[in-house]
Amino acid sequence: AQSVTQLDSHVSVSEGTPVLLRCNYSSSYSPSLFWYVQHPNKGLQLLLKYTSAATLVKGINGFEAEFKKSETSFHLTKPSAHMSDAAEYFCVVSAPPTGANNLFFGTGTRLTVIP
Amino acid sequence: NAGVTQTPKFRVLKTGQSMTLLCAQDMNHEYMYWYRQDPGMGLRLIHYSVGEGTTAKGEVPDGYNVSRLKKQNFLLGLESAAPSQTSVYFCASSPHAKGYTFGSGTRLTVV
Repeated sequence: AQSVTQLDSHVSVSEGTPVLLRCNYSSSYSPSLFWYVQHPNKGLQLLLKYTSAATLVKGINGFEAEFKKSETSFHLTKPSAHMSDAAEYFCVVSAPPTGANNLFFGTGTRLTVIP
Repeated sequence: NAGVTQTPKFRVLKTGQSMTLLCAQDMNHEYMYWYRQDPGMGLRLIHYSVGEGTTAKGEVPDGYNVSRLKKQNFLLGLESAAPSQTSVYFCASSPHAKGYTFGSGTRLTVV
């Protein structure tokens, strides 16, 4: 079975300080993992994805995530927060490609950036 | 290239009314999905389709019906709306169930 746990429902950082959004996953298979961002009243935008290539994945807007199989984690980081990063972030795990019904969402982490 | 387009963007319904949400994609994707998003929860899958003429139930299908008569369109119907169906609805499409493109959402309120 596949599942995702986002360890923090809300993270607050000051502008210019590092961002860490934590995600643990559970999967019976080699997973594909994604981070999506949702700005207020907007749709979901793909930040980055891991699909069994390099374990350190670089995404858009300076975000990165590292796949750690031993810790079953896929934490999202950014060295320096910007005001425009304030949004909801979703960690998502994908089941094997043979299944069409295969995206499992975490409950989201709301990032607040303090000026 | 419009990607995934959802109409309408907002709607208010009275309990018991019916409506249809339209999702259209212009990327020739085989797979299409309808999700709902509620506060404090991730997206939950309502129904999905793996190709024209096919549909299947997701995690929370009760109270909804879907149709995929054309490959580019995936319709979500509410026959008798209930307040519990107040939510934000997202459509998504994918060429091979790996890379998903999401629409911008439909905010539905049932009073």
